[in-house]
Amino acid sequence: NAGVTQTPKFRVLKTGQSMTLLCAQDMNHEYMYWYRQDPGMGLRLIHYSVGEGTTAKGEVPDGYNVSRLKKQNFLLGLESAAPSQTSVYFCASSYPQGGDPSYEQYFGPGTRLTVT
Amino acid sequence: AQSVTQLDSQVPVFEEAPVELRCNYSSSVSVYLFWYVQYPNQGLQLLLKYLSGSTLVESINGFEAEFNKSQTSFHLRKPSVHISDTAEYFCAVSLRWWGNKLVFGAGTILRVKS
Repeated sequence: NAGVTQTPKFRVLKTGQSMTLLCAQDMNHEYMYWYRQDPGMGLRLIHYSVGEGTTAKGEVPDGYNVSRLKKQNFLLGLESAAPSQTSVYFCASSYPQGGDPSYEQYFGPGTRLTVT
Repeated sequence: AQSVTQLDSQVPVFEEAPVELRCNYSSSVSVYLFWYVQYPNQGLQLLLKYLSGSTLVESINGFEAEFNKSQTSFHLRKPSVHISDTAEYFCAVSLRWWGNKLVFGAGTILRVKS
């Protein structure tokens, strides 16, 4: 099992450009999440999904959109990037279908995004 | 709303010394509690968790944490640290309902010196 994978690993954008970050999991998890990590602030939840076709806002959703068209994939979009979105983005998943929800989240390796 | 406070941003310690990383949380409802570890340039890995039952939980690499409901704390301890324990440690809480969302503390960087 690859677990949770993220594409790309690094990206540099100019202000106003758009991009999509891809998260994929092969653990048949129902829930998926996008976080951003900034120094001294821990991880903050951007958006999350509790199943295919569903999404919901987290703590810091402004400037981001998400989609979960397939159970194994969760996409994070930046329509018009701003320097304040410079961060490390982590995807996570949890709760295997039919399994006992242990409430553990499994994290991907992260995407380092710089907006100039 | 739930919140998590990690009282120390950095903890330097010598190898083989004991260490405690402090975590306090606030919540009006029951929560699950976690410690995650992040090694340099990597994602987060679960270190240990408290869901219910015994208030003392242990990890496979010698860390332990104790859930104290009256003090709303979940401090992480290790009696003897190694250089390889150098990492950033995050305390997190999860609400016991739909979505399983995590709220993280700001993190504590543990620096183990030889």
